[in-house]
Amino acid sequence: EAQVTQNPRYLITVTGKKLTVTCSQNMNHEYMSWYRQDPGLGLRQIYYSMNVEVTDKGDVPEGYKVSRKEKRNFPLILESPSPNQTSLYFCASSYGTSGSSYEQYFGPGTRLTVT
Amino acid sequence: GQQVMQIPQYQHVQEGEDFTTYCNSSTTLSNIQWYKQRPGGHPVFLIQLVKSGEVKKQKRLTFQFGEAKKNSSLHITATQTTDVGTYFCAGRSNYQLIWGAGTKLIIKP
Repeated sequence: EAQVTQNPRYLITVTGKKLTVTCSQNMNHEYMSWYRQDPGLGLRQIYYSMNVEVTDKGDVPEGYKVSRKEKRNFPLILESPSPNQTSLYFCASSYGTSGSSYEQYFGPGTRLTVT
Repeated sequence: GQQVMQIPQYQHVQEGEDFTTYCNSSTTLSNIQWYKQRPGGHPVFLIQLVKSGEVKKQKRLTFQFGEAKKNSSLHITATQTTDVGTYFCAGRSNYQLIWGAGTKLIIKP
């Protein structure tokens, strides 16, 4: 089954404790992206990747890191989480390199709480 | 910066009534996509519009792309409980996808 998986689905952590949210897709998509969703603000892009070893900042990259060492995986790293990073996070992938010409497939989401 | 404004933020309807959400862009868009997010779920792609003035239908859903490719709408006829969720538009401009804030469809009990 074609899908995007994220882990963990739920995470409660404390300020400053480094964490990684994993994302994997099995559709051989070039483009992958991370979003955060907050009430009333819709989806805001954090980082995106057009292919292996190619990543770029989205609209809200501060406090986040990503890497793309393999085509299927695109982990999101919070080196020193803060309470304002409490949010619902989605990973997405799509065919092609621009991410805007084809439909995006979303993972199930990771709900992160930073206390 | 580039923005896509989506209104309304919420719409309460009785089951069987119609629902419409509108997206307006500050710039001309190459295409526009629509997604639906069920409560507790993730966004799911509905459709993509590319041509000026394009109209596409999916059963009770009608999608329109404006002549100037700056606005778009989604209209649902005779809403059902399965339509509940948040509907997002996402417009392509300069190879970036710019998301609207979403319209939440709520069915009154």
